[in-house]
Amino acid sequence: GESVGLHLPTLSVQEGDNSIINCAYSNSASDYFIWYKQESGKGPQFIIDIRSNMDKRQGQRVTVLLNKTVKHLSLQIAATQPGDSAVYFCAEANYDKVIFGPGTSLSVIP
Amino acid sequence: GAVVSQHPSWVICKSGTSVKIECRSLDFQATTMFWYRQFPKQSLMLMATSNEGSKATYEQGVEKDKFLINHASLTLSTLTVTSAHPEDSSFYICSVPLSRLEAFFGQGTRLTVV
Repeated sequence: GESVGLHLPTLSVQEGDNSIINCAYSNSASDYFIWYKQESGKGPQFIIDIRSNMDKRQGQRVTVLLNKTVKHLSLQIAATQPGDSAVYFCAEANYDKVIFGPGTSLSVIP
Repeated sequence: GAVVSQHPSWVICKSGTSVKIECRSLDFQATTMFWYRQFPKQSLMLMATSNEGSKATYEQGVEKDKFLINHASLTLSTLTVTSAHPEDSSFYICSVPLSRLEAFFGQGTRLTVV
């Protein structure tokens, strides 16, 4: 079946550098995507979302880019901080259901 | 905003026993809730859709007789893991959709079956 997936399972970044987390999706009919952050032992926390009619959306220190041509999403975190260490999931919202990709573990090196 | 509360946050049980996990929507009436399971270092996998007043809808491969879901009110859904085995040990998470585009997640329940 169609699914949302990630290329990089782990990512280590120096504190203060920018982080880029990538995600590939296969359902070309998807029209809404979400990035979640999950800290150890906790539920997912909403970070930012984007609709398919957009190619970029910015939040506080985070930017999501959507390339529909190659079915690719990315999450950019500016000036990465130790508190950003977590697992990040891209997800596809499909009529109330949220379907998660495999996740990337971000580790920030002080 | 809406707050979703799960209870317990962790539980240890013996093989063969049943465990009930509660998911409460504290600020929002939810006709639908979702249950996910997450194994270590893996993603969240949707198990089922809990429907208030009717039967739950299970995803392919999820045993409905093993994972009993009851959504008796607009603020409470329960997931009961029946005859639990060590392979059922996992992190169980519920979510409450506010709309097609927004959902809140519980803090999760860590189940360990010994």
